[in-house]
Amino acid sequence: AQKITQTQPGMFVQEKEAVTLDCTYDTSDQSYGLFWYKQPSSGEMIFLIYQGSYDEQNATEGRYSLNFQKARKSANLVISASQLGDSAMYFCAMRESGNTDKLIFGTGTRLQVFP
Amino acid sequence: NAGVTQTPKFQVLKTGQSMTLQCAQDMNHEYMSWYRQDPGMGLRLIHYSVGAGITDQGEVPNGYNVSRSTTEDFPLRLLSAAPSQTSVYFCASSSFDRFGTEAFFGQGTRLTVV
Repeated sequence: AQKITQTQPGMFVQEKEAVTLDCTYDTSDQSYGLFWYKQPSSGEMIFLIYQGSYDEQNATEGRYSLNFQKARKSANLVISASQLGDSAMYFCAMRESGNTDKLIFGTGTRLQVFP
Repeated sequence: NAGVTQTPKFQVLKTGQSMTLQCAQDMNHEYMSWYRQDPGMGLRLIHYSVGAGITDQGEVPNGYNVSRSTTEDFPLRLLSAAPSQTSVYFCASSSFDRFGTEAFFGQGTRLTVV
């Protein structure tokens, strides 16, 4: 069965430092997509970054990058130069190929950025 | 462009009451889904739809009904509310055309069943 595992319930990082949020996944599909979403205290789900299973390069979006290691089935989110506004819950999610839009979510990591 | 709109944002129900959570999207997306978010459990899929007239069950469908008569709307019905359905509910939509496109989420509905 498909599964996303986020083993860090909480992380702390100092402002301007980089932080890595871990995500491992389990799937038997060859074609799949991996997503990271941010959920601030206000509750909305904000899309951050996407990595396709066939993408050869790691995805980057501004200060966010995805460290994709296919053989290890890991898709870690790297946030560079952390800002106070990065304090939030972060969810890793996976979508498998096929005619559906099912997203499987991990349990999330709460990131707190301190001055 | 409103995106995905959920109503209401907050709701308190008594055990046994019924209600409908509304979800509408204006992006002409084929896919729409309902998730529930509980502490420590991430988001779990309740029901989803791949187009008007087509729905299917997700991971936690019991106690919920859906229908999709139009592309834009995907309401979630609680037939007889139970305290176990206290949760935050999210509606999401996405396009079939591009596999790598993200799902767009509504603002969420915080439901409390007493």
